[in-house]
Amino acid sequence: EPEVTQTPSHQVTQMGQEVILRCVPISNHLYFYWYRQILGQKVEFLVSFYNNEISEKSEIFDDQFSVERPDGSNFTLKIRSTKLEDSAMYFCASSITQGWNHGYTFGSGTRLTVV
Amino acid sequence: DAKTTQPPSMDCAEGRAANLPCNHSTISGNEYVYWYRQIHSQGPQYIIHGLKNNETNEMASLIITEDRKSSTLILPHATLRDTAVYYCIAKETSGSRLTFGEGTQLTVNP
Repeated sequence: EPEVTQTPSHQVTQMGQEVILRCVPISNHLYFYWYRQILGQKVEFLVSFYNNEISEKSEIFDDQFSVERPDGSNFTLKIRSTKLEDSAMYFCASSITQGWNHGYTFGSGTRLTVV
Repeated sequence: DAKTTQPPSMDCAEGRAANLPCNHSTISGNEYVYWYRQIHSQGPQYIIHGLKNNETNEMASLIITEDRKSSTLILPHATLRDTAVYYCIAKETSGSRLTFGEGTQLTVNP
């Protein structure tokens, strides 16, 4: 069964450093998403991306965050200057359509620890 | 998206049906009901969705009441691997975000 692949599975970074989280969505999917989950809290939407631009973003997705699809396969989330409160699991997801008639496929996540 | 209400936890015996309820009394006509689950901090996994008809797939069945104010996810023969947090989400056809609540922690006991 097709999978969404995320790398690395765990990343530790120092406060103030830039991090890039990488995702390979399912090959025929057109919509891409990032979610995060702080330990013990709900899964939260960050951003959706379609046709090489952001289609929707949440209040969490401020200027410190950016997304990119640098080639035909990767989808990345960059955090410019990490803060302690950015420590969380980050999940990438993809879908064929905007999702109302299909489910999203999520990756297994990257655990980001900011120290 | 309409707010959904689920019990915080449920238990089920292995091999028995697990029936997970969800209330969505303010759901609008263009909102689908989606179910996802999350097994121990893994990524959420799509289970099933529906608008007003009952739905069944290889994982589960979804029963939506006629007034669409509530629904039930049925896992017909629960296994230990079905232990997870189950999320019921009401989502409009427009817009792309899924709004996850607290969900129901289902524990399947041997």
